[in-house]
Amino acid sequence: EVQLVESGGAVVQPGGSLRISCVDSKLTFRAYHMNWVRQAPGKGLEWIAYIGGGTTTIYYADSVKGRFTISRDNDKKSLYLQMNSLRAEDTAVYYCAQIGQPYALDVWGQGTTVTVSS
Amino acid sequence: EIVLTQSPGTLSLSPGERATLSCRASQSVSSNFLAWYRQKSGQAPRLLIYGTSNRATGIPDRFTGSGSGTDFTLTITRLEPEDFAVYYCQHYGGSPLFTFGPGTKVDIK
Repeated sequence: EVQLVESGGAVVQPGGSLRISCVDSKLTFRAYHMNWVRQAPGKGLEWIAYIGGGTTTIYYADSVKGRFTISRDNDKKSLYLQMNSLRAEDTAVYYCAQIGQPYALDVWGQGTTVTVSS
Repeated sequence: EIVLTQSPGTLSLSPGERATLSCRASQSVSSNFLAWYRQKSGQAPRLLIYGTSNRATGIPDRFTGSGSGTDFTLTITRLEPEDFAVYYCQHYGGSPLFTFGPGTKVDIK
C-alpha cells in the first residue's frame, strides 16, 4: 500500500526555523513529483511547494517564497521542507502529497502540525 | 491567477439523498486540470475525481464529475455516512501551481 508519513512538526517561536520530513514507502519514489500542502486551523487547503522527481524543477507559493525550501533525497525516499522566518500565519497542518494521476494529488500523508507561537 | 469559487458553502442533506456541488473558475480552464477531493474531519484529503470526470482508484460510482469551461459539478447520487465531509475542487497550472476552492461542507440534515 502506498504510504507517505510526515514527521517533525513542533511548536516554534515566531522568527524560528523548522524542518519537516515525509518518508515514502514506495521503491519508485524518485519517479513522482511531490508537493507540500498546508491547512491552517479551520481553514481550507493551500498548496505551498512542488519539486520534480529529478529535483531540478521547484515552485513555491508567493506566501512562502524566500522563506521555505523544498528538497528531496531519492535514495532515502524522503521529502523535506525547511521553514525559516516562521510567522504565526504559518501555523497549520502540513501534508506531503504526490502527483500520481495527471494534474492531481492522489496520495497524501496524514499530516504533521506546525504551531508558531511565543 | 485562477480563482475557484464553490457553492453552496454548506449543504444539509440526509443519507441516501443526492448532492450537487458546484465549482466555478474565474476564467475558462482545461477540463484536464480540474479535480475534486473529499476531506473527512481530522483526516487528510482524498482524491475523488481528476480530469473533471475520471474517478480515482477505489472511488465508487456514486461520485460523478462533469463540466467544462468555467463551471464544474460534483454529484453524489446517494449519500453514504462517510460522505458527510468537506469537498474541495482544485485546478492545476499557472501560478500558483495548484489552486483549491474554499470548500463545500456536506452535513447531515
